[in-house]
Amino acid sequence: SQTIHQWPATLVQPVGSPLSLECTVEGTSNPNLYWYRQAAGRGLQLLFYSVGIGQISSEVPQNLSASRPQDRQFILSSKKLLLSDSGFYLCAWTDGASYEQYFGPGTRLTVT
Amino acid sequence: KNEVEQSPQNLTAQEGEFITINCSYSVGISALHWLQQHPGGGIVSLFMLSSGKKKHGRLIATINIQEKHSSLHITASHPRDSAVYICAVRRPGNQFYFGTGTSLTVIP
Repeated sequence: SQTIHQWPATLVQPVGSPLSLECTVEGTSNPNLYWYRQAAGRGLQLLFYSVGIGQISSEVPQNLSASRPQDRQFILSSKKLLLSDSGFYLCAWTDGASYEQYFGPGTRLTVT
Repeated sequence: KNEVEQSPQNLTAQEGEFITINCSYSVGISALHWLQQHPGGGIVSLFMLSSGKKKHGRLIATINIQEKHSSLHITASHPRDSAVYICAVRRPGNQFYFGTGTSLTVIP
């Protein structure tokens, strides 16, 4: 069966520090991968999605970036965090057939 | 204006009541998804619809493509149904856009 992992579960980082969140998927190949952010009291916002290795589409211009170095690995990064980057970050995947979306457990990021 | 609008934002019901959550969208879609988010933050997919109606246990989801509207119904609601319910649309380019969610509380 397919599993999606995200780490860390929680993170507290000072403003200006770098960020690296990792997401890995098991049990499937060539998934479509997504990074979302959910700010307090707001809906999910699509940040990045990827249909293959090295293929990243950005939805929202910001100080975040994403990379997909391997088929089932998706990384969200920032060189310098802003207070507004605080939120709940979710990784998700779909396969190319059903497009049913499966979410990871999420990372709660607090920028102080 | 958001591409996906949900109503109501908050909903409190007595156990056993029939519940309806509505979702309207303004863009062309490949499919519509209903998701459930529990207090800890985890999200699970309930339904994926491109037409008609689907039923799973006490949950029913319907979609009217012409009117760009979907509803999620919960029959015989139970306190364990308390969660945030999120409507999401999948665009033809496989991007997903989400409503802000409906926070449901079912009181025993």
